[in-house]
Amino acid sequence: AQSVSQHNHHVILSEAASLELGCNYSYGGTVNLFWYVQYPGQHLQLLLKYFSGDPLVKGIKGFEAEFIKSKFSFNLRKPSVQWSDTAEYFCAVNSLGDSNYQLIWGAGTKLIIKP
Amino acid sequence: DAGVTQSPTHLIKTRGQQVTLRCSPKSGHDTVSWYQQALGQGPQFIFQYYEEEERQRGNFPDRFSGHQFPNYSSELNVNALLLGDSALYLCASSLGSGTGPVVGEFGPGTRLTVT
Repeated sequence: AQSVSQHNHHVILSEAASLELGCNYSYGGTVNLFWYVQYPGQHLQLLLKYFSGDPLVKGIKGFEAEFIKSKFSFNLRKPSVQWSDTAEYFCAVNSLGDSNYQLIWGAGTKLIIKP
Repeated sequence: DAGVTQSPTHLIKTRGQQVTLRCSPKSGHDTVSWYQQALGQGPQFIFQYYEEEERQRGNFPDRFSGHQFPNYSSELNVNALLLGDSALYLCASSLGSGTGPVVGEFGPGTRLTVT
């Protein structure tokens, strides 16, 4: 069965530190890849997505992610985090196939930024 | 422009009872997906409705059923509730064609507690 692994369940950083959240998936075919964010008290929001083309994808609020097909990875990065980035981050994968609209999600990473 | 709305916000039910959750999609969206998010986990895909039919279903028992109305709103019904059905139920709306169905806009969710 397909699965998505997010390596860190909790990450604590100081403001201005660099961020990298890991995401690996198990599926050998073509995939669509997503990062969603859930800020405290808010609902899930799309941060960025990859469908095809340039494997380096830029999203909102200065986030980016790099798709490395050989490593089945789609890690999320931000060069300098802010206190407002405190949130839970979810990686999700959709495997391309006939009529497949299902997203498989990781368990999430809770990010806490210390001011 | 109202986003995705869900009702009720919270619900407490007893084991064995039945529950109905409701979702109104974002204006312009015609597809609704339902997810179950247990505490500390990522969302799990229940099913997706498009053109008033269940287009795809995840790995959930028949106790979980749904409906989509002509105005694109949707209901999720769960029969014979189990304690393990306690979770946050998320609705996501999207466009039904192209890559649209996999890029959902999420509602705030309904927190279901089964006692």
